Amino acid sequence: AIRMTQSPSSFSASTGDRVTITCRASQGISSYLAWYQQKPGKAPKLLIYAASTLQSGVPSRFSGSGSGTDFTLTISCLQSEDFATYYCQQYYSYPPWTFGQGTKVEIK
Amino acid sequence: QVQLVESGGGVVQPGRSLRLSCAASGFTFSSYGMHWVRQAPGKGLEWVAVISYDGSNKYYADSVKGRFTISRDNSKNTLYLQMNSLRAEDTAVYYCAKDNSPRATMVRGVLDYWGQGTLVTVSS
Repeated sequence: AIRMTQSPSSFSASTGDRVTITCRASQGISSYLAWYQQKPGKAPKLLIYAASTLQSGVPSRFSGSGSGTDFTLTISCLQSEDFATYYCQQYYSYPPWTFGQGTKVEIK
Repeated sequence: QVQLVESGGGVVQPGRSLRLSCAASGFTFSSYGMHWVRQAPGKGLEWVAVISYDGSNKYYADSVKGRFTISRDNSKNTLYLQMNSLRAEDTAVYYCAKDNSPRATMVRGVLDYWGQGTLVTVSS
């Protein structure tokens, strides 16, 4: 199975900050990568797929980039509602579909 | 709007069985593959099982293979997960999720809608 590793596991940021989360695959996955946001007690929500395609309804401050093994999720101007845990997921080689361990974005 | 509503969770003793359901609405259920994903308390997301739109293909995580069975009833717009021989490590919130690729015999694995989840606790 392909292993997905996110960094950092958590960090603190302030509203208005530009933040970047990194996801690395244990082998090349082309652009078959999705990003999800999860708030406490809620279901995950799809933000981005195909590494950089924004899901309908997702604010444009979210963006994704990368291909092969290294990917990033960027939030250009952090809003209060963006404090959450973010997961990357590969869908290049399956089953199983695999997720990163998550990155928690906390309020500074 | 798309809605996925899970039910059937609860407290169950190790070795016993439980069946989860996921009622779908707001989209053509019979055209999409469906997944189960679980999340142990305080942990990350783990993919569990998938079924193609017509039920012809099913795949499972190694951790549940031989114990869990995914199925669907397209006439009832409902997805199921039959869980047998439950273990303490199966304790988790179980989410059903819709795949975003229509009428694909091999689902893609982009999960565009999720239910609210149902908690399964395996404990004596």
